[in-house]
Amino acid sequence: IVLTQSPGTLSLSPGERATLSCRASQSISSGYLGWLQQKPGQAPRLLISSASNRATGIPDRFGGSGSGTDFTLTISSLEPEDFAIYYCQLYGDPPSWTFGQGTKVEI
Amino acid sequence: QVQLVQSGAEVKKPGASVRVSCRASGYTFTSYIVAWVRQAPGQGLEWLGWISPKTGETSYAQKVQGRVTMTTDTSTNTVYMELRSLRSDDSAVYYCARDEGYCSGAGCYRWLHPWGQGTLLTVSS
Repeated sequence: IVLTQSPGTLSLSPGERATLSCRASQSISSGYLGWLQQKPGQAPRLLISSASNRATGIPDRFGGSGSGTDFTLTISSLEPEDFAIYYCQLYGDPPSWTFGQGTKVEI
Repeated sequence: QVQLVQSGAEVKKPGASVRVSCRASGYTFTSYIVAWVRQAPGQGLEWLGWISPKTGETSYAQKVQGRVTMTTDTSTNTVYMELRSLRSDDSAVYYCARDEGYCSGAGCYRWLHPWGQGTLLTVSS
């Protein structure tokens, strides 16, 4: 299964709403779809698991939704620290992990 | 807290081998699979494989099959990833991550969390 993220780059200002898309090449279980955030020079960190569950400590301005083949990460009001690269991740069968190519959210 | 701490940066020549370690703390080591993921400079994330510290069972990505071996040491709560016959395109940051999930009546759920801090591997003559 291939995960395609769009757009490649999102240019926004602090306070604006960000909508990131992750599309799977075939229908997937939402329980296996997550979102990661990666800042320059840092390891990825889990934001959202199971399509819509915020990981511990993640602010509620981050929200995930979707089902089937189309999934969305929404940042309701961008804070300066939210400018980063976001990846969707998928657990597959046989047991393995697939990642989207990433969406860069820039100022 | 749950933490994965990796070994330091490595510089290797083409054809050599490297072993990266990932030490777990803050949870029962044998209860969770550990996955390895790499990221070439300026590129996205690539899954390399996983290992079960409980059983030693492994699964490797086709791209590195035959060159990679993942092992565990339960006495030190450490997972190792060895990559052999290194090439320049193996230059990347290598991450370990805990593979977590469960199944309930509503379905099955899986995610990678937390991640180690990463180990930079540079392959250059």
